[in-house]
Amino acid sequence: SQQGEEDPQALSIQEGENATMNCSYKTSINNLQWYRQNSGRGLVHLILIRSNEREKHSGRLRVTLDTSKKSSSLLITASRAADTASYFCATYTGGFKTIFGAGTRLFVKA
Amino acid sequence: DAGVIQSPRHEVTEMGQEVTLRCKPISGHNSLFWYRQTMMRGLELLIYFNNNVPIDDSGMPEDRFSAKMPNASFSTLKIQPSEPRDSAVYFCASSLRGAGNTIYFGEGSWLTVV
Repeated sequence: SQQGEEDPQALSIQEGENATMNCSYKTSINNLQWYRQNSGRGLVHLILIRSNEREKHSGRLRVTLDTSKKSSSLLITASRAADTASYFCATYTGGFKTIFGAGTRLFVKA
Repeated sequence: DAGVIQSPRHEVTEMGQEVTLRCKPISGHNSLFWYRQTMMRGLELLIYFNNNVPIDDSGMPEDRFSAKMPNASFSTLKIQPSEPRDSAVYFCASSLRGAGNTIYFGEGSWLTVV
């Protein structure tokens, strides 16, 4: 069973707009990570947020974590066509497994 | 660094044939993962090695699948005999210290079993 569930499954926006993707999970976590996957490529790590952190920034990316709601969001500001990809949240609860969600497909129209 | 290197990138094989996928992790990383990605099941962890030792193979679907890591710079995932339902993208990934840290993925091996 998947620990993290992304929402929406797919998102289509215009270049320049902001894109927000959400991740909900079921059990307590040590950290949560976001990854990007371009078509036909491997996953690339974007950002890691620990359970005691509430917000992190990296360039145009902003990640929030609400442990009381067991949810996280990824915001991409001023999106570009090159941001078109699938985005996955991955939760780590300790032990040996980082579990990936099903992903959100983002399409940014030029 | 060259990143995680996988081969072959693409393989088409007939049902019943043996398939061997290869992986070279990032130098210095002590954790190696094999994942399988399909549209239906998403990204599944097959097996996790730490310091070349298999720690968790609970995700290996059945006895037809086996994985080895003879040294810190090489791992294989073998499917024998292959079946059409094994068609998927297989990713090798490595991390510096275990599953809770940044995981670096290879570009994947795209397997089609006909």
